[in-house]
Amino acid sequence: KAGVTQTPRYLIKTRGQQVTLSCSPISGHRSVSWYQQTPGQGLQFLFEYFSETQRNKGNFPGRFSGRQFSNSRSEMNVSTLELGDSALYLCASSLTRLAGGHNEQFFGPGTRLTVL
Amino acid sequence: SQKIEQNSEALNIQEGKTATLTCNYTNYSPAYLQWYRQDPGRGPVFLLLIRENEKEKRKERLKVTFDTTLKQSLFHITASQPADSATYLCARDSSNTGKLIFGQGTTLQVKP
Repeated sequence: KAGVTQTPRYLIKTRGQQVTLSCSPISGHRSVSWYQQTPGQGLQFLFEYFSETQRNKGNFPGRFSGRQFSNSRSEMNVSTLELGDSALYLCASSLTRLAGGHNEQFFGPGTRLTVL
Repeated sequence: SQKIEQNSEALNIQEGKTATLTCNYTNYSPAYLQWYRQDPGRGPVFLLLIRENEKEKRKERLKVTFDTTLKQSLFHITASQPADSATYLCARDSSNTGKLIFGQGTTLQVKP
């Protein structure tokens, strides 16, 4: 089974621009979560989608948004980029069902975003 | 606030020894804790999950304990090898969905 894939792997943008990151989960996984990782703050939860619905949201400004498609693929968007948005953005998928559950998450390799 | 904390200082040990990493939580009682390994430039990889009613869980050279009295989980790697060098993260489920709250991680360096 193919793992979680993320595109692009590296991205360089300038302040004020916007960016869209893509994530393809493991086949059969309907839950997709997004995380931001920085040296200072560590891994922080952004949001989670299940069956095209956002079920959970972290403490990030509205400039961070996401969506999930019917095939479970997900995208996240960051508008009006700031220098502090430079980070590794990780996507993870899991077998978590509608009723919930505590399942392991499978992470992709991440997208390294640099904002200049 | 609910916190999950790991020792941010790197842990350096000699090959063959047992590495012990600590994860402490405050102001709540998680029903589950998960442990992940992360190598530089890569996403975390799941290692073990332990429930609050499980005192201990093992997988090959790995062992995790969960002490609800001390509000602490310990992660052990026995007979450590240089290939075990990585950052180890503990995480708790904050809800019954795909939202994990991670500790800062502890970097382990195993010297040959």
